[in-house]
Amino acid sequence: QKEVEQDPGPLSVPEGAIVSLNCTYSNSAFQYFMWYRQYSRKGPELLMYTYSSGNKEDGRFTAQVDKSSKYISLFIRDSQPSDSATYLCAAENSGGYQKVTFGTGTKLQVIP
Amino acid sequence: GAGVSQSPSNKVTEKGKDVELRCDPISGHTALYWYRQSLGQGLEFLIYFQGNSAPDKSGLPSDRFSAERTGGSVSTLTIQRTQQEDSAVYLCASSLRGTGGYTFGSGTRLTVV
Repeated sequence: QKEVEQDPGPLSVPEGAIVSLNCTYSNSAFQYFMWYRQYSRKGPELLMYTYSSGNKEDGRFTAQVDKSSKYISLFIRDSQPSDSATYLCAAENSGGYQKVTFGTGTKLQVIP
Repeated sequence: GAGVSQSPSNKVTEKGKDVELRCDPISGHTALYWYRQSLGQGLEFLIYFQGNSAPDKSGLPSDRFSAERTGGSVSTLTIQRTQQEDSAVYLCASSLRGTGGYTFGSGTRLTVV
């Protein structure tokens, strides 16, 4: 079992829809959680970086972490065709340097 | 530079040849990472450099893989005697303090034929 599990999709939604992307994890030591966006033939780009449980909002993006259920979510409001990309969730332990563990990514397509 | 720079962007090599992949991190970033991304496999950690500390090589898949970082800046990942299963995108990332807020380069797409 991978430490961070993510549905690969693809997920296809109409423009303007609310998108929900989800991951589960198994390592209780994970304290920091991230979402990266990766366009085709590009490196991943950090979208959200959160600590422990709770919500964090940045524009149209909201990251949510529920440590009790080991569940990570990313919500995209008013989705745009430019949001079409692969979204990777990731997690790391606390205490300075630790290797980041990535999910396999969910491919999202927003249809105009 | 403004971002993490990787070269070459694409590399096609014959099975059994050696290849060198280069990464130029963001100036001032002390942490540098190499990951490998294969279709459907997600990002696989390879190696990590932090300042003058000994690198964490725990992700290197075999002794054909090695990496060095010169002067705390540029890094080179070397794959000797390449095999077809080495075909993947090799991504380099750097961060300021070794946390997960990485900045990735665009990667080197390696194809072994």
